[in-house]
Amino acid sequence: KQEVTQIPAALSVPEGENLVLNCSFTDSAIYNLQWFRQDPGKGLTSLLLIQSSQREQTSGRLNASLDKSSGRSTLYIAASQPGDSATYLCAVRRGGANSKLTFGKGITLSVRP
Amino acid sequence: NAGVTQTPKFRVLKTGQSMTLLCAQDMNHEYMYWYRQDPGMGLRLIHYSVGEGTTAKGEVPDGYNVSRLKKQNFLLGLESAAPSQTSVYFCASRDGTLGDTQYFGPGTRLTVL
Repeated sequence: KQEVTQIPAALSVPEGENLVLNCSFTDSAIYNLQWFRQDPGKGLTSLLLIQSSQREQTSGRLNASLDKSSGRSTLYIAASQPGDSATYLCAVRRGGANSKLTFGKGITLSVRP
Repeated sequence: NAGVTQTPKFRVLKTGQSMTLLCAQDMNHEYMYWYRQDPGMGLRLIHYSVGEGTTAKGEVPDGYNVSRLKKQNFLLGLESAAPSQTSVYFCASRDGTLGDTQYFGPGTRLTVL
């Protein structure tokens, strides 16, 4: 059974810091990995999706990497801002169009002004 | 283009009452999902559908029923609500093609007294 772990559960950093959020998964036979952002009281918004054949994806100040063999992904946030404060979840899809996402429990990030 | 919408946003039920949560998407997506999110438990899949007229059980289906009579709508029913069903419910959809992104609704906060 696929398990997705995100440690630590919470993180607080000063504004302007570059930071890395980690995600690990137990079964390396994944199809793709997706990073989501969730603001308090809101739904999930997709940030980046990495296919299993890719090593990384970038969008603005965000960069996500994937190392399938070691079962790890990182989300890099450059020059963090208070507006980046949210919970970040990673999720993996094992294989095939019919397969379902397995989610981590998320990392709650607080960026202090 | 509204994406994924959910009705209602909030609801309070008494134990034993029934209700239906409505999810609608305007992206012509084949796949639709219902999740619940609880503190410390993360997101758990309740039921899902891979196309109009189809439904399937997810990780925590007991106490819930679903229907997908129209492609754009996915209904989640609680026949006899229990306090353990107090949660935030999220609907999601995706088109089912290779590398597709999963889109989430804003959530329904349900309290069962």
